[in-house]
Amino acid sequence: AQSVTQPDIHITVSEGASLELRCNYSYGATPYLFWYVQSPGQGLQLLLKYFSGDTLVQGIKGFEAEFKRSQSSFNLRKPSVHWSDAAEYFCAVGQNTGTASKLTFGTGTRLQVTL
Amino acid sequence: DGGITQSPKYLFRKEGQNVTLSCEQNLNHDAMYWYRQDPGQGLRLIYYSQIVNDFQKGDIAEGYSVSREKKESFPLTVTSAQKNPTAFYLCASLGTGLETQYFGPGTRLLVL
Repeated sequence: AQSVTQPDIHITVSEGASLELRCNYSYGATPYLFWYVQSPGQGLQLLLKYFSGDTLVQGIKGFEAEFKRSQSSFNLRKPSVHWSDAAEYFCAVGQNTGTASKLTFGTGTRLQVTL
Repeated sequence: DGGITQSPKYLFRKEGQNVTLSCEQNLNHDAMYWYRQDPGQGLRLIYYSQIVNDFQKGDIAEGYSVSREKKESFPLTVTSAQKNPTAFYLCASLGTGLETQYFGPGTRLLVL
């Protein structure tokens, strides 16, 4: 069964500092990988996704993620964090069951940004 | 604007009541999903539907029911059999061949 681990429950960074959120996955085949962001009381917004090809993917809001098959990781990065980036971030792995694509989510990392 | 709408934003349930959460999409997506979100547990799949009049149980379907009579609509009923219904419920949809799920704004269900 597929699974996703986000080892950091809560991270605090200063505005302007760099950010890396960790994600490790377990999946038998080539995974579809996603990062979503959620502001309090809101739905999830897609930041970026990896299906195949270039292992460094660019997303919205200046985020990027790198797929490393050897480490089963898909870490999210941003070179300079803005206060508006404070939110909860979810990594997910997708499985195409043949009838519908299913996502398995990690437990999330809450990002706090200090001014 | 195309998107997913969920209503209401907040819903209160009394003990022993069934309540229905609405999810509508105008994206012309075939597949729709319901997730439950609890603090510290991420999102867990309740039910999903690939096409009209067909749906499958997810990981935590007990105490929930769904219907898919129209492509645009996928309502979720939280029955009295669900003993711990207080949570944030998210609906999502997926277009064929797109592989990316898009989410609605969510409904928070509280038990009185």
